[in-house]
Amino acid sequence: GQQLNQSPQSMFIQEGEDVSMNCTSSSIFNTWLWYKQDPGEGPVLLIALYKAGELTSNGRLTAQFGITRKDSFLNISASIPSDVGIYFCAGQLNTGNQFYFGTGTSLTVIP
Amino acid sequence: ETGVTQTPRHLVMGMTNKKSLKCEQHLGHNAMYWYKQSAKKPLELMFVYNFKEQTENNSVPSRFSPECPNSSHLFLHLHTLQPEDSALYLCASSQDPGGGSPLHFGNGTRLTVT
Repeated sequence: GQQLNQSPQSMFIQEGEDVSMNCTSSSIFNTWLWYKQDPGEGPVLLIALYKAGELTSNGRLTAQFGITRKDSFLNISASIPSDVGIYFCAGQLNTGNQFYFGTGTSLTVIP
Repeated sequence: ETGVTQTPRHLVMGMTNKKSLKCEQHLGHNAMYWYKQSAKKPLELMFVYNFKEQTENNSVPSRFSPECPNSSHLFLHLHTLQPEDSALYLCASSQDPGGGSPLHFGNGTRLTVT
């Protein structure tokens, strides 16, 4: 199957700092999704991206669909303790229906 | 989000047991999915149903048997599982299985096979 390389694997940051994470692939994707998963719960959709170059915000979160269509970025501004969790990217190819997932970025926010 | 409900939340079963996982979606979606989530690995797609017809079986062993009686309900029947099948099993739904429709997940069933 397709491999999505998500980095970094983990981050430890101070409250108030900005966060950046990204997802890359060797394949071209038509759709990028970003999810957050809290312990003991399922992933929750944060942002969906459908066009190359698209920049979409959801509160303090901003995600971009890379121009090459092989990558996507998620930024969190002014982090707060409730941002703690695991963030996943997911991409869908032009052909087929399956979403492929990254291995996640674990975020810890130190108060 | 309570649009997708999974039961039970936790399940411990022996290798000779038979059990079932249940999923119900209240979002009016047409497609439903089973995913397996293991530590340090990406989510693995197991099965896809569109309008209650199975459209994808991702080479899943026959000890996992899905059932989709209608677009709102999805089951995963388990029998003679192995310890390596212990994982979080996530159900998801989407408006349709293509075109970039986002997946909406339930909270999962944490399965432990002893």
